[in-house]
Amino acid sequence: DIQMTQFPSSLSASVGDKVTITCRASQSITTYVNWYQCKPGKAPRPLIQVASILQDGVPARFRGSGSGTLFTLTINGLQLEDFATYYCQHSSFPLTFGGGTKVDLK
Amino acid sequence: QAQLVQSGPEVKKTGASVRVSCKASGYTFSNYGVAWVRRAPGQGLEWLAWISEYKDQTRYSESLQDRISVTPDKGTATVYMELRRLTSGDTAVYSCARVFHDRLTGSYYFDLWGQGTLVTVS
Repeated sequence: DIQMTQFPSSLSASVGDKVTITCRASQSITTYVNWYQCKPGKAPRPLIQVASILQDGVPARFRGSGSGTLFTLTINGLQLEDFATYYCQHSSFPLTFGGGTKVDLK
Repeated sequence: QAQLVQSGPEVKKTGASVRVSCKASGYTFSNYGVAWVRRAPGQGLEWLAWISEYKDQTRYSESLQDRISVTPDKGTATVYMELRRLTSGDTAVYSCARVFHDRLTGSYYFDLWGQGTLVTVS
């Protein structure tokens, strides 16, 4: 089975910072990666599909990139509402999630 | 608008079974699949199961495939997830998600989520 390894597992940042989260697949998965944002007590929010396509309504400060085994989610100009936990997901079977990256306030 | 509404919290004994429902509305039920995901306390998201758009195919996580079933009720646009032989390790928030299958790229994307159902096993 394909494993999705996310790093870092947590990071501290300030409003306005550029944040980069990385997801590594255990084998090449072309661009089969989605990204989600999770906040406590709320349903997960889909952000990006197929590595780089932004979901409707997601601000342009979110950017996904990568192919093969290495993928990144970049947030340019972190906002208060962006403090959350982010997950990558293999978008083909098995639909495995990465371990998550918690972004909190420095 | 499109939404998924799940059944309420459950408390179960070790060894019991639990069934969680996920009722879809506001979209064409047969145009999207449904997946189940859980998040245990202090843990990350874990994909559990998927049922296809026409509700005729299922796929399960290898770690749970002998204990989990997903069944549809097309008449009420509801999908049920049953988990058997519960242990304390199954305590988690269980969520359903609408699955968009992009036939051009072959990818699957969870574009709408239910509110989550807390299942506690003691």
